Amino acid sequence: AQKVTQAQTEISVVEKEDVTLDCVYETRDTTYYLFWYKQPPSGELVFLIRRNSFDEQNEISGRYSWNFQKSTSSFNFTITASQVVDSAVYFCALSELTYGNNRLAFGKGNQVVVIP
Amino acid sequence: NAGVTQTPKFQVLKTGQSMTLQCAQDMNHNSMYWYRQDPGMGLRLIYYSASEGTTDKGEVPNGYNVSRLNKREFSLRLESAAPSQTSVYFCASSVGTPAYEQYFGPGTRLTVT
Repeated sequence: AQKVTQAQTEISVVEKEDVTLDCVYETRDTTYYLFWYKQPPSGELVFLIRRNSFDEQNEISGRYSWNFQKSTSSFNFTITASQVVDSAVYFCALSELTYGNNRLAFGKGNQVVVIP
Repeated sequence: NAGVTQTPKFQVLKTGQSMTLQCAQDMNHNSMYWYRQDPGMGLRLIYYSASEGTTDKGEVPNGYNVSRLNKREFSLRLESAAPSQTSVYFCASSVGTPAYEQYFGPGTRLTVT
């Protein structure tokens, strides 16, 4: 069973529009960590954020914001006022303290295309 | 500060050939990982090393071996390459497992014909 689901495979937006990427996870653990990574066309994965299961505060970093809701097992990512440089594949990932076997489970990614 | 480096960047092998992918990190991280990325599959863990001197299988270890040479270096070996191993390979490192973010190298694009 997939532990991390990113349902939207490709999302196209016009520059300056907002875009929200959904991430739904599945775990039996009470302590776990959630991550978002960006993979631009150059190919290298860039770490964006880490959130632990006890911290449900939303976070904002510039044009990026994250909404963590344990009640719905979701950790969604919003890019506000998108720019062409935001075109990339974005991965959500889950790391479980007890049941994860030290593995980071990745979703299949959201391809974001920002049209100028 | 180079972060995580990988060599080579590109490689073409014939079926049955062997090769070693090299990875090094200069962040004094304890844990290192090898992933493969295939279209539509996301990243899948091949092997990891939680600390120097230990290695463990990940999700897709068949056909691969690894060596944690020292704290900095973690190599991935394909003993007899198969077309199914055509993929992009990423090395990553982190302070530890499982709570810490991983930092990735630039990747190696491998084609097996």
